[in-house]
Amino acid sequence: AQTVTQSQPEMSVQEAETVTLSCTYDTSESDYYLFWYKQPPSRQMILVIRQEAYKQQNATENRFSVNFQKAAKSFSLKISDSQLGDAAMYFCAYRSNTGNQFYFGTGTSLTVIP
Amino acid sequence: DTAVSQTPKYLVTQMGNDKSIKCEQNLGHDTMYWYKQDSKKFLKIMFSYNNKELIINETVPNRFSPKSPDKAHLNLHINSLELGDSAVYFCASSQYGLAGETQYFGPGTRLLVL
Repeated sequence: AQTVTQSQPEMSVQEAETVTLSCTYDTSESDYYLFWYKQPPSRQMILVIRQEAYKQQNATENRFSVNFQKAAKSFSLKISDSQLGDAAMYFCAYRSNTGNQFYFGTGTSLTVIP
Repeated sequence: DTAVSQTPKYLVTQMGNDKSIKCEQNLGHDTMYWYKQDSKKFLKIMFSYNNKELIINETVPNRFSPKSPDKAHLNLHINSLELGDSAVYFCASSQYGLAGETQYFGPGTRLLVL
C-alpha cells in the first residue's frame, strides 16, 4: 500500500508570513493524484488544492500553491500571506489512478500567530 | 445546498447499544466512503461503495455494517458499541473518473461511547 508521510506534526507562522508544509509519499506508480485538505476546528474537511502527477506545472489556488517534485516524491504546500483563518490541521493525501482509496498522512497542525 | 450531509452531528450513547449514522450526498457522485478519525486525528478508511456495491472493506469489526439504499446514501450501523468506537466518523463522496476523484467530505459525526 502507498504511504504518505507528513514529518511536521505542528507548525506555526506569523500572520501575513509564508509557511511551507511538507509531504512525501511512497509509490511505484507513475500516474496518480495528490491532494491537500484542511480541517479547521469545525472538523469539516475542506479540499485546498489538487495536483495531477502527469502535470509538470505546480497547482495554485489563490494564496495556496504546491511544490510537486515527482522524482523526489515530494508534495509540499505553501501558504502565502497567512491569515488567522488558515489555522487548521492540514492533511496530505494520495490517490492512485486505479482504485478508489485515498491514503492520508497523519496531518500537520498549523497555528497562525497574530 | 449542503453537498455531503451527515446525521446526527453528535451522538452520545452507552456501551452495548446499537446506533446508526446517516449520510447523503447531492453531488450526483457514484462513490461514497466512511472514514474513522481517532483522537490523534488519524484518518482511516473503513468502507467504500460504488453504485451501491461494496468496493472497499478494510479491516473493521463486523459490528460495523454499511448500507447503501441508493447511490446518494450510505449509512453506517454499529452494533454493540464499545468504548474504542468513540471517534469522529466522516462520510465522503466522489465521482469515478472526474477531477482525480476528489473526495468531498461531510461535517463528521462525533460519537462518544460511555
